[in-house]
Amino acid sequence: GENVEQHPSTLSVQEGDSAVIKCTYSDSASNYFPWYKQELGKRPQLIIDIRSNVGEKKDQRIAVTLNKTAKHFSLHITETQPEDSAVYFCAASAGFGDMRFGAGTRLTVKP
Amino acid sequence: EAQVTQNPRYLITVTGKKLTVTCSQNMNHEYMSWYRQDPGLGLRQIYYSMNVEVTDKGDVPEGYKVSRKEKRNFPLILESPSPNQTSLYFCASSNSGANVLTFGAGSRLTVL
Repeated sequence: GENVEQHPSTLSVQEGDSAVIKCTYSDSASNYFPWYKQELGKRPQLIIDIRSNVGEKKDQRIAVTLNKTAKHFSLHITETQPEDSAVYFCAASAGFGDMRFGAGTRLTVKP
Repeated sequence: EAQVTQNPRYLITVTGKKLTVTCSQNMNHEYMSWYRQDPGLGLRQIYYSMNVEVTDKGDVPEGYKVSRKEKRNFPLILESPSPNQTSLYFCASSNSGANVLTFGAGSRLTVL
């Protein structure tokens, strides 16, 4: 089955700096790669996703890149703000229901 | 309002006492899934269902059962809970197996 590894497990940045979180996956059949943000005590919520026919996707300060050959994808947050502080999860799915999540990255943005 | 509803939100129980965590969605989603969240381990899939009467094991199915008799409901059953099932549980649904998941608010279960 799919195995998703996520790094780093914790990340601390200064407000205004950029943050990058990286994930690798094992199943070459995976074709859907979402990112979820989980604030303290809340449920995970989708912030951006990308499908395997696209190499990059951007939504305001957030972007995701996908390298299918290397089987890795990354989340980029620019101009970070304190409200970006949360746990971020990457995930991968081949479309058959077994969506696998990474272990999460705790991002702290210091004012 | 489109949502996934889980109950109970909090439960403390004892080893061996059967319990059910209910999950219901009002979005007519075909796909539903259960995850458990433990520190440092992320979200691990327990069971998922691609449609009514179709269920499959995820990564950590031992000790759990599910059923999907109706499209909107996907209960998680712990027949004989043990302390290692103490965790935060999330139900989620989507209109397919590879699409945006809508999560419930979570159910925090403690097994003594």
